[in-house]
Amino acid sequence: DTGVSQNPRHKITKRGQNVTFRCDPISEHNRLYWYRQTLGQGPEFLTYFQNEAQLEKSRLLSDRFSAERPKGSFSTLEIQRTEQGDSAMYLCASTLVGGPAKTQYFGPGTRLLVL
Amino acid sequence: GENVEQHPSTLSVQEGDSAVIKCTYSDSASNYFPWYKQELGKRPQLIIDIRSNVGEKKDQRIAVTLNKTAKHFSLHITETQPEDSAVYFCAASMGGNQFYFGTGTSLTVIP
Repeated sequence: DTGVSQNPRHKITKRGQNVTFRCDPISEHNRLYWYRQTLGQGPEFLTYFQNEAQLEKSRLLSDRFSAERPKGSFSTLEIQRTEQGDSAMYLCASTLVGGPAKTQYFGPGTRLLVL
Repeated sequence: GENVEQHPSTLSVQEGDSAVIKCTYSDSASNYFPWYKQELGKRPQLIIDIRSNVGEKKDQRIAVTLNKTAKHFSLHITETQPEDSAVYFCAASMGGNQFYFGTGTSLTVIP
């Protein structure tokens, strides 16, 4: 499968626990995005990376959230001290900047439920 | 920042009829406008996109129009089929940096 993959697909955790999600983009893509999507809403931008550099973070990304892309390939999104309001689908997308298109390809998402 | 508004939030059409979904954006610097289809429990998938140097683009039954002056763009689906039923999202981006999404339109095609 050469598409964007995300793990785990589902995560149930208790309030106050830390969780980490992983995204593997399409291999030649140099840009990687993280979004959060709640029921009935469009994806909300959280942050994006160009190679290993984190270029922009949304105000939605509180200090409990941190994202990394250490070698410019896969990325992780960590949420510390989870709250019930963090329950959502976390989507990753990737694209090739500098190529002919800026099309984003989304992964299947990680659905987080905080109890 | 950019603000993307999308209307209607729900749309029901008879099979074979056309469906139109409209979006407006606020930042005149936005220059790339993709449309995504998201079926229940699945990832958003790109169905068509348009860049600011083009006014209209068509791909079989799907077309997108862009009015830069008015800062709005629309998705047109002709000859709708039941498998077109899904949630559709518009988005706006400046240079592929941040993407701002609309709130979605739930399209139901009635057989």
